[in-house]
Amino acid sequence: EIVMTQSPGTLSVSPGERATLSCRASQSVSSNLAWYQQKPGQAPRLLIYDASTRATGVPARFSGSGSRTEFNLTISSLQSEDFAVYYCQRYDNWPPWTFGQGTKVEIK
Amino acid sequence: EVQLVESGGGLVQPGGSLRLSCAASGFILRSYEMNWVRQAPGKGLEWVSYIDSSGSTIYYADSVKGRFTISRDNAKNSLYLQMNTLTAEDTATYYCARVNEDGGNSDYWGQGTLVIVSS
Repeated sequence: EIVMTQSPGTLSVSPGERATLSCRASQSVSSNLAWYQQKPGQAPRLLIYDASTRATGVPARFSGSGSRTEFNLTISSLQSEDFAVYYCQRYDNWPPWTFGQGTKVEIK
Repeated sequence: EVQLVESGGGLVQPGGSLRLSCAASGFILRSYEMNWVRQAPGKGLEWVSYIDSSGSTIYYADSVKGRFTISRDNAKNSLYLQMNTLTAEDTATYYCARVNEDGGNSDYWGQGTLVIVSS
């Protein structure tokens, strides 16, 4: 089974700064990689799919990159509403669908 | 507006059963595959079960196989998860999620329903 590993576990960033989150797959998942944002007490929200395609309504400051085993989610200029936990998810060969363990983006 | 609303969660004793429901609106449920995903308190996301648009293809995570049953009633715009032989490890918020037409990711999620398994 493919394991998804996210780093760092916690990222401390000041508002207005750039944040880069990483997700590594233990085997190639091609570009079948999604990113979700989850705020406390809320459901996950799809941000990016197919590694780099923004979901409907997602601000342009969110961008995804990478393929095969190495992926990044970049938030170009952090806004207050962006402080949350971010998960990556592979969906190349399913089942199962597997998620990374999450990266918490907190205010520095 | 796409909406998914889960219900049926609550407190149940170990070994007990619960049936979760997910009411869909704002889209044609019969056109979409669906997932159940859960999240234990303070933990990450875990996929639980999948059902295709007609209900003919179903998958389960190993952790729930043989105990949980996913089903759907497209005429009622509803998705279900029957959970039997519950253990403390099943304590989690359960989300229903629509599978994106573009692939296996989930583009809309419900707000979740909390299941607590405790004596």
